[in-house]
Amino acid sequence: GAVVSQHPSRVICKSGTSVKIECRSLDFQATTMFWYRQFPKQSLMLMATSNEGSKATYEQGVEKDKFLINHASLTLSTLTVTSAHPEDSSFYICSARGQGLGGYEQYFGPGTRLTVT
Amino acid sequence: GEDVEQSLFLSVREGDSSVINCTYTDSSSTYLYWYKQEPGAGLQLLTYIFSNMDMKQDQRLTVLLNKKDKHLSLRIADTQTGDSAIYFCAVAMDSNYQLIWGAGTKLIIKP
Repeated sequence: GAVVSQHPSRVICKSGTSVKIECRSLDFQATTMFWYRQFPKQSLMLMATSNEGSKATYEQGVEKDKFLINHASLTLSTLTVTSAHPEDSSFYICSARGQGLGGYEQYFGPGTRLTVT
Repeated sequence: GEDVEQSLFLSVREGDSSVINCTYTDSSSTYLYWYKQEPGAGLQLLTYIFSNMDMKQDQRLTVLLNKKDKHLSLRIADTQTGDSAIYFCAVAMDSNYQLIWGAGTKLIIKP
């Protein structure tokens, strides 16, 4: 149980275009989803926290207009990187916690490798 | 704010025990986690411990928590080549469950 999927797993896009990444909780309802960014050989950086039906809470230094997060249902959150630039190339990981998981367990998606050319 | 620190590398021989250490700064950390990340893959929750516990064992994994020293460790018994990965320590406060991460320890297995 507690499976989180992400789609796509890998995407290459041209500079200036927008990319949408989906995060789904497959067998539980995710009341809260987190979006992280991981640079090579570095730890995870929390970008934002989203609760279903509410606006996302962004961490300091993360541009909310550039990284649009939507958590419209209890099983789906999306991260849209708008007007992507090469410096946005990274590994993006979502995690989810929710009903029936005790609240203190976070389960992670497999990640999305974004490359902006 | 909270700071979580880990050594970057640990090298052990196959069959030996691996002990990965983690220190944190905020004594109000309530939930402490160990995650495993294999090359090119996402994060797998290995185990977690509550701050009111000293030890938790799950098959080959043993987690020890020293609250006084704010020190968390993960012991992997009989380390196998499949244990090669980066192990992340993460802590959360009670209020919001946001995870604060260590930099990760890369476990290298020598034959």
